[in-house]
Formats: sequence, C-alpha cells, structure tokens
Amino acid sequence: ETGVTQTPRHLVMGMTNKKSLKCEQHLGHNAMYWYKQSAKKPLELMFVYSLEERVENNSVPSRFSPECPNSSHLFLHLHTLQPEDSALYLCASSQVPSGGADEQYFGPGTRLTVT
Amino acid sequence: GQNIDQPTEMTATEGAIVQINCTYQTSGFNGLFWYQQHAGEAPTFLSYNVLDGLEEKGRFSSFLSRSKGYSYLLLKELQMKDSASYLCAVLDSNYQLIWGAGTKLIIKP
Repeated sequence: ETGVTQTPRHLVMGMTNKKSLKCEQHLGHNAMYWYKQSAKKPLELMFVYSLEERVENNSVPSRFSPECPNSSHLFLHLHTLQPEDSALYLCASSQVPSGGADEQYFGPGTRLTVT
Repeated sequence: GQNIDQPTEMTATEGAIVQINCTYQTSGFNGLFWYQQHAGEAPTFLSYNVLDGLEEKGRFSSFLSRSKGYSYLLLKELQMKDSASYLCAVLDSNYQLIWGAGTKLIIKP
C-alpha cells in the first residue's frame, strides 16, 4: 500500500449508531488531518495531529472524537450524529516542517450518510 | 474574516486554454496552493507559490501577485481528463490552510 488510505469508503449510519473511520499513511509523515467536505463548500479542517499531539480542534462538535495512536494511523470516532453531518470525510498527511511547500497528501475519503 | 474566492464553475473546450482565478483575504500569507480533485477522488497537489510570478509545470502554470491578493491557474492544451474541481488554498500566518470552495471545470469536446 502506498500513499494515504481510508476505510470504509462508504458508510451509512443511523443517528444512534457508533462507528469509526480509519486513516493510514505510508509516507513517513509526522502530521495528519481530518477534513469535512460538503458540496460546494470549502474544505473544513476538523482536527490536526502533529507528532501525535492534537494541535487544532476548530470547535468541532463532541460527537466527533479523533484518536491518533501513532504517526501512521488516525481514527475518527462517530456517535449520535445528525443528518447535517453527512459529507465526505477526508484524511490527509504532511511532513512538518518540510522547508518547502508542506503540501498535504489526501486519502480518497469516506462518504458518510446519516439517516 | 478570512476569505478565498474562486468561480463556482467554468466550461472550456478540449485543446483550448483556461484560466481559473483565485482571490484571497487572509491574516498573513505563507504560500498559496492549487489542488485538483476528480469527482469521488482525493485532492492531489498541483502547485505552490510563495513569491510573485509565474511557475510553470508542463501544461499547468500558476501565477501569484501578493500585493493584489490574487492567483490564477492556467491550463493549456486542455484534455478531457482535466475535467475536475480545482481548489485554491492559502497558508495563513498561523500556517493554517484556508480553502476556497473549488472551481468545477467542465471540458467539452
């Protein structure tokens, strides 16, 4: 496996369910990110982990709970979601500091539908 | 507040040239990125500008004017596979990426 992988690719869950999204990066990066992408809206940064420590929260509702057990893995635990949480959830990684562009490498995303 | 503006949608013809504009108002500036995102796929990095001027990479070029808060992505010799969304993002003074909503580019034969 190369790059950034995410599972599952598609998820349908009820508002009372609990589920987790998984992200794994094989690039040796030291920072990982969760983004929410809704139709025709800018990417919304949810969480940032740098060197396995959370450095950004951006006032995300507590029904979203991140976990970063090591520099290669990132999870997003979901519980009691709302229909407006339906979106594409993207994971990304980067190397910071890089001395250059610090470009982020994205996974293919998890398409989440809350019913 | 911080703001990135880019057109919602553009249409161009195969073989032609298209310019996608991006204007920004951010607290500080540490570089501007362009990403390409095909439908249902991950965004992929295209270019990074931190100094004024034009950066060329094959059929794609990106321009930056920091004094005007303006950038554009120029795509030449358009191919059908260039149909995608193009995302503009600025790294602000806190090294946080501020994203535009993206421009959906439709290429017609």
